This record gives sequence, structure tokens and C-alpha cells, in this order.
Amino acid sequence: KAGVTQTPRYLIKTRGQQVTLSCSPISGHRSVSWYQQTPGQGLQFLFEYFSETQRNKGNFPGRFSGRQFSNSRSEMNVSTLELGDSALYLCASSWRTENTEAFFGQGTRLTVV
Amino acid sequence: QKEVEQNSGPLSVPEGAIASLNCTYSDRGSQSFFWYRQYSGKSPELIMFIYSNGDKEDGRFTAQLNKASQYVSLLIRDSQPSDSATYLCAGFRQGGKLIFGQGTELSVKP
Repeated sequence: KAGVTQTPRYLIKTRGQQVTLSCSPISGHRSVSWYQQTPGQGLQFLFEYFSETQRNKGNFPGRFSGRQFSNSRSEMNVSTLELGDSALYLCASSWRTENTEAFFGQGTRLTVV
Repeated sequence: QKEVEQNSGPLSVPEGAIASLNCTYSDRGSQSFFWYRQYSGKSPELIMFIYSNGDKEDGRFTAQLNKASQYVSLLIRDSQPSDSATYLCAGFRQGGKLIFGQGTELSVKP
């Protein structure tokens, strides 16, 4: 059974640009959540999608957005990139939203220069 | 007060010893808890998931949950150098949100 797949693995972008990250959950999983990990702040919740609906959002500016498609694949978009957006972006997949295991993908390492 | 707090590290144990990792949480609405292991430069790997009071054992790992005390722990028996990593405790909130602690770095010395 394939795991959670995130693409691309690495990205280098310039300030002001925008970026789109992709996450394909484990087959059958309908919940995808996104997290940002930095050395200073640790793992922070960005948002969660279930059946194409955003059900929860963390405390991030509106430059961070996402969506989920009918096949449960999810994308995350960051517009007007800032240096502080450099981080490891992780998505987690689970088959429902409560009381079930959540598995992480390998992450996308974003560097903003 | 942080919602999920872990004992500060780094924690160093000799090979073969028991490593004890602790986590407290402030939100009684948290329904279930996770322990993840994260090697440097890698993504978190699920070690244990627990949502009922008591103990849950999986191989060398035992998770303990005490909802009255708002306390979660992870015991690693017969610790191996390959267990050296950062261990992350997370509480699960409604709406698919995991709240993570800051992590505890474990070092197992041969």
C-alpha cells in the first residue's frame, strides 16, 4: 500500500513568487492536513480538508491557501513568498478526522531566497 | 502555557535501557494522542496512537494515557542506537488538527 506522497521534495523560490505543493494521501484516506515545520516554531497546523471541504484552519496569513480534489489529493499554495516561509511543509493523511492514525508524507523542503 | 508540553531534552540513555518520554496537555477536549519519531531531515513517523485511558503496547514501545491527569507517556524498552531521534507528542483536536509538543531529543549511547 503506497504511503503519503508529496511533490516536489525540494523547492527554491524567490521572494514575491508563489508556490504550489501537492499531497496524495494513502488510498482510501479522505482527510488531508498540512503542517509547517521550522526549527523555531516546531510543527504548526495550517489547515485540514475532508471530502473537498476545509474543516479547520490554523493561524496563518491568507497567503496560505489550499484545496482538495474529489480524489482526495490536496494542494497547498503560498503566494507572495517571504523569507520566513522557508520551512519543511508536511501533509498528513487519515481516513477520517477523529480518533484515527495520521500518517505523514516525506515533506517538501521550501527555501525562499 | 503551551497546549502540549514535553519534557525537555536531550535525553540520553545507554543501549538496552528504558527510555521514558513524557507529555502533558492542557486541553481536555483532546481526544487522542500520537507519538511520532523524527530523524534529522526526515518526516515524522508514527510510533503509537492511543485514545483510551491505560496502556497500549506495540513491540518495544508502550504508550500510557491518563486523561484525569492530562498526561501521556512513551516507554521504549531495550533502547537501541537506532532509536536516537526526536520524539514528538501530539494531541488530536476536532477538525483534524494535531497540536504538537516541542519534541524531546533522545540519544541512545552504545
